[in-house]
Amino acid sequence: SAVISQKPSRDICQRGTSLTIQCQVDSQVTMMFWYRQQPGQSLTLIATANQGSEATYESGFVIDKFPISRPNLTFSTLTVSNMSPEDSSIYLCSVVWGHYEQYFGPGTRLTVT
Amino acid sequence: AQSVAQPEDQVNVAEGNPLTVKCTYSVSGNPYLFWYVQYPNRGLQFLLKYITGDNLVKGSYGFEAEFNKSQTSFHLKKPSALVSDSALYFCAVRVPMNNNAGNMLTFGGGTRLMVKP
Repeated sequence: SAVISQKPSRDICQRGTSLTIQCQVDSQVTMMFWYRQQPGQSLTLIATANQGSEATYESGFVIDKFPISRPNLTFSTLTVSNMSPEDSSIYLCSVVWGHYEQYFGPGTRLTVT
Repeated sequence: AQSVAQPEDQVNVAEGNPLTVKCTYSVSGNPYLFWYVQYPNRGLQFLLKYITGDNLVKGSYGFEAEFNKSQTSFHLKKPSALVSDSALYFCAVRVPMNNNAGNMLTFGGGTRLMVKP
């Protein structure tokens, strides 16, 4: 299995500011995903990040709001830009391991005041 | 489009009793099905998966799930619940395809399992 770490684990930010979340994997993986889990809700896919190409965003998410970097096969960042209280969520990165299994990082709990 | 339904927001069970957490899905094609568990202030942990073969799959912590194609269900079960099983459980589905969409997991809304002593 893959071991995934995220930084920061949590943060409290003021509206209008930006936060960059880092995701590190202990093995090289082709595809990385970023999910959002709003309070009391299920997980929603924000985007898929492949190394060497632009991230693919799901409906309702745009690059200007959630820019993603994928500089190599073990690392990715997600930035939450111009934050508002509605962005308060847990943000999780995830990787597909082998053909089938998908593993998740511990998440970054963001609170916007 | 693929979708997953977990009809129960919460399931309450007494310790030592069997538990079932329900999941139904809707896909075009043959699904890969997964169960994840989320403990408070923790990320998602993989429990088990169905890809092909035997309809009854066994996973971590004594959990198992049965794939029922005719009922499009993948219910999670455990013969004897523990208080430590109390957590949020998510069912997820993926339909394999040779593009990004084929690697996308679609999650159900989650079911909170409460096991009481």
